[in-house]
Amino acid sequence: TQLLEQSPQFLSIQEGENLTVYCNSSSVFSSLQWYRQEPGEGPVLLVTVVTGGEVKKLKRLTFQFGDARKDSSLHITAAQPGDTGLYLCAGEGYGGSQGNLIFGKGTKLSVKP
Amino acid sequence: DTEVTQTPKHLVMGMTNKKSLKCEQHMGHRAMYWYKQKAKKPPELMFVYSYEKLSINESVPSRFSPECPNSSLLNLHLHALQPEDSALYLCASSPRGQSSYNEQFFGPGTRLTVL
Repeated sequence: TQLLEQSPQFLSIQEGENLTVYCNSSSVFSSLQWYRQEPGEGPVLLVTVVTGGEVKKLKRLTFQFGDARKDSSLHITAAQPGDTGLYLCAGEGYGGSQGNLIFGKGTKLSVKP
Repeated sequence: DTEVTQTPKHLVMGMTNKKSLKCEQHMGHRAMYWYKQKAKKPPELMFVYSYEKLSINESVPSRFSPECPNSSLLNLHLHALQPEDSALYLCASSPRGQSSYNEQFFGPGTRLTVL
């Protein structure tokens, strides 16, 4: 069974601070997606990383896929209150799980003005 | 168009009611999904349709019945639900089998309350 450990589970910071969210697994993923979800809404896809060692930037957000494609991180620079939300990582499995997403438990981020 | 739409946005139903949730996408994706999400938890996969055929049923009770009338539409028929079925129901679509990776696009969800 493929598992994805996401940390931290909760993060409360002040506006302007930097933060990093981690997703780790002992399994290899063919791709990994990061989503942001507001309460009562569906997850919105932020980025997909596919290649080991890949780094993608989306404004103040930097996403990295580990060389072995078993882990990923999301770094936010100078967080703003608009970044508040639930961040989910989801890995696409291999074999019997191919095409299905294995979700981390999420990181609930609160950015205070 | 990268949008997945879901109706209704909110639904309140009694345990003896029959209702349906609807999902639509026009991205040409041939895979569609139903997820259930409880508060502060990640989405849990319920069903996967691939090329309009049910390919995965994650041991979901028979009171949930999915239907895929065509490649753009996905329904979830509900009957005799229990209060513990109250949750946010999410639909997603993806280019599974059409692309080298399978990023999923989610709809806004239906907030279901079972009384």
